[in-house]
Amino acid sequence: NAGVMQNPRHLVRRRGQEARLRCSPMKGHSHVYWYRQLPEEGLKFMVYLQKENIIDESGMPKERFSAEFPKEGPSILRIQQVVRGDSAAYFCASSPAVVDYGYTFGSGTRLTVV
Amino acid sequence: AQRVTQPEKLLSVFKGAPVELKCNYSYSGSPELFWYVQYSRQRLQLLLRHISRESIKGFTADLNKGETSFHLKKPFAQEEDSAMYYCAQRMDSSYKLIFGSGTRLLVRP
Repeated sequence: NAGVMQNPRHLVRRRGQEARLRCSPMKGHSHVYWYRQLPEEGLKFMVYLQKENIIDESGMPKERFSAEFPKEGPSILRIQQVVRGDSAAYFCASSPAVVDYGYTFGSGTRLTVV
Repeated sequence: AQRVTQPEKLLSVFKGAPVELKCNYSYSGSPELFWYVQYSRQRLQLLLRHISRESIKGFTADLNKGETSFHLKKPFAQEEDSAMYYCAQRMDSSYKLIFGSGTRLLVRP
């Protein structure tokens, strides 16, 4: 079992470009969570998805950010028109069921906006 | 708002010395507390949680409701313990975790 796979590990984008971050959950996991870690801060919840459904996006910035988890394929976190303040580490986690403490995290994607 | 505080950004100790990584939480109910560890270039891994009261890799943590603390301790640090350590809490069966900002533990030979 390869665990939660995130790619790319590092992503550099110029201001105004789009960033697409991918997350493949562990085999058998149908719940995906995205967290963001800004410099010098802890991880903060962004969004919780199940297959084809956004369950809770209360932590997502209201503009430029979107997430999806299609029936087939990885979960995608998309950031449009990136700005310097979007530079952060983005972590994905998955679990087999809700209210399962057993989050399994990926290694994260470090986004740098230049 | 719920908050998890890890006051030390960096903790440097010598091999064999005792280690205590501090964590304080603000929730007044019955939170679940966790410690996660991230070794260099690896994924965030669950180290332990207070419900299980187990010891992993020699680390223990006791929930102190009076002091709202969940400090991580190890009597004798090893070089391979060098990593980032994050304290986190979850409230009342929520799926959301609230993380502290992390402490980097550096164990010197």
